[in-house]
Amino acid sequence: DVKVTQSSRYLVKRTGEKVFLECVQDMDHENMFWYRQDPGLGLRLIYFSYDVKMKEKGDIPEGYSVSREKKERFSLILESASTNQTSMYLCASSLPYRDSEQYFGPGTRLTVT
Amino acid sequence: AQRVTQPEKLLSVFKGAPVELKCNYSYSGSPELFWYVQYSRQRLQLLLRHISRESIKGFTADLNKGETSFHLKKPFAQEEDSAMYYCALGGGGAQKLVFGQGTRLTINP
Repeated sequence: DVKVTQSSRYLVKRTGEKVFLECVQDMDHENMFWYRQDPGLGLRLIYFSYDVKMKEKGDIPEGYSVSREKKERFSLILESASTNQTSMYLCASSLPYRDSEQYFGPGTRLTVT
Repeated sequence: AQRVTQPEKLLSVFKGAPVELKCNYSYSGSPELFWYVQYSRQRLQLLLRHISRESIKGFTADLNKGETSFHLKKPFAQEEDSAMYYCALGGGGAQKLVFGQGTRLTINP
């Protein structure tokens, strides 16, 4: 059974703090994704990684960076958190085929005050 | 550019009634279409994909390239179908997906 885990379910940070969101998958998937989920806006892709140390910007990368040093782990970094980054963050992984299912983690609800 | 539109943010139907969740897409290439579902307090999961041409939990979806649509249908709604539904578009050899805004479906008893 595919398992995607995220380091925290809820996180509260202050404006200007550096924030790390961690995601781990145990199915040896090549692809990993970070999305943010906002009501009325759906899921928007922040970053995508198709291999270790490889990354590609998604639709809304501003204010975020990522790190993938190991195949199973994909980290999202908010260099200086702002209130408009308050959101639900979802991590996903998949095999490297165009019709592959994406497997999602439970999400991290981040509040920036 | 790839784009997915789900025109209804909210949809409410009675148990036993037919359900149709609309999805329209914009893409010049050969599309890959998916429906994902998120039940209350559960993670987002794949419901079905057009390439499989299968019925999952009584839901079906047909890709209509002429109308660029991939509507999700079920003839008789059940209370456990209440959830958030997202239509997603892939294609062009990339494995990234573009998601729609989502439709919250509520089935009334």
